[in-house]
Amino acid sequence: DAKTTQPPSMDCAEGRAANLPCNHSTISGNEYVYWYRQIHSQGPQYIIHGLKNNETNEMASLIITEDRKSSTLILPHATLRDTAVYYCIVRVVGTGTASKLTFGTGTRLQVTL
Amino acid sequence: DGGITQSPKYLFRKEGQNVTLSCEQNLNHDAMYWYRQDPGQGLRLIYYSQIVNDFQKGDIAEGYSVSREKKESFPLTVTSAQKNPTAFYLCASSMSQTLSGGMNTEAFFGQGTRLTVV
Repeated sequence: DAKTTQPPSMDCAEGRAANLPCNHSTISGNEYVYWYRQIHSQGPQYIIHGLKNNETNEMASLIITEDRKSSTLILPHATLRDTAVYYCIVRVVGTGTASKLTFGTGTRLQVTL
Repeated sequence: DGGITQSPKYLFRKEGQNVTLSCEQNLNHDAMYWYRQDPGQGLRLIYYSQIVNDFQKGDIAEGYSVSREKKESFPLTVTSAQKNPTAFYLCASSMSQTLSGGMNTEAFFGQGTRLTVV
C-alpha cells in the first residue's frame, strides 16, 4: 500500500489560501490521490481526487507533481469553517475486486481571524 | 435522500458484552468499510467488503466481526475479545472499483457511533 505523509498541523489566516502538502512517494501508476476532511466528531467529507492532472472543483484545487510523488490541496480563500483535519489518502487496488481505503493521521488546519 | 446512516449515535455497554453497530446505505454502493477513530488520531480500518457475502480484514480486525448479507447493510459487532472497545466508529461506502482500479469514485461516510464501554 502506498503510504502518505502529511504535516501534523498548519495555520492559515482567514481569506488567505491554505496549501496543504502530502507526500506519497511510493504511489503506483493506477492509484489515485484522494483528499477528505473531518470536522470534529463528524464523518469525513470528500473534497477532491486526481490521478495525474491537476483538478479543481467548487471546494478546492489539487496539484499533483509530474512524478506523482507528492500533491498539494489548495483552499483558495480559507474561512473559519474550513478548520478541520485534512486527510490525504491513496486508493489501494487489492486482489480481485477487493480494495482498501487507508487513512493516515492527517493535517489539522486551524484557520484564524 | 440517498446517504449512509449509522445508528445509534451514542452507545453505552458494560464490559464483557458484545454490541452491534448498524450501518445502512441507500446509495447502491458495492463497497462498505468500518473504521475506528481514537481521540486525536486518524482512522484505522477494521473490515471492508466489496460485495455481498464477502469481506476482508483491515488493519485492526481482532475483536471485531462483520457480516454482509445484504448490499445495503454492513453491521459491525464489537465482541468481548476487543480489549479497548471505547472509540468513535465510522462506516463508509463507495462504488465498486474495477479490477484495473480505473473507477475513481469517492467514499461517503456516516456520522459515526461513539461507543463507550464501562
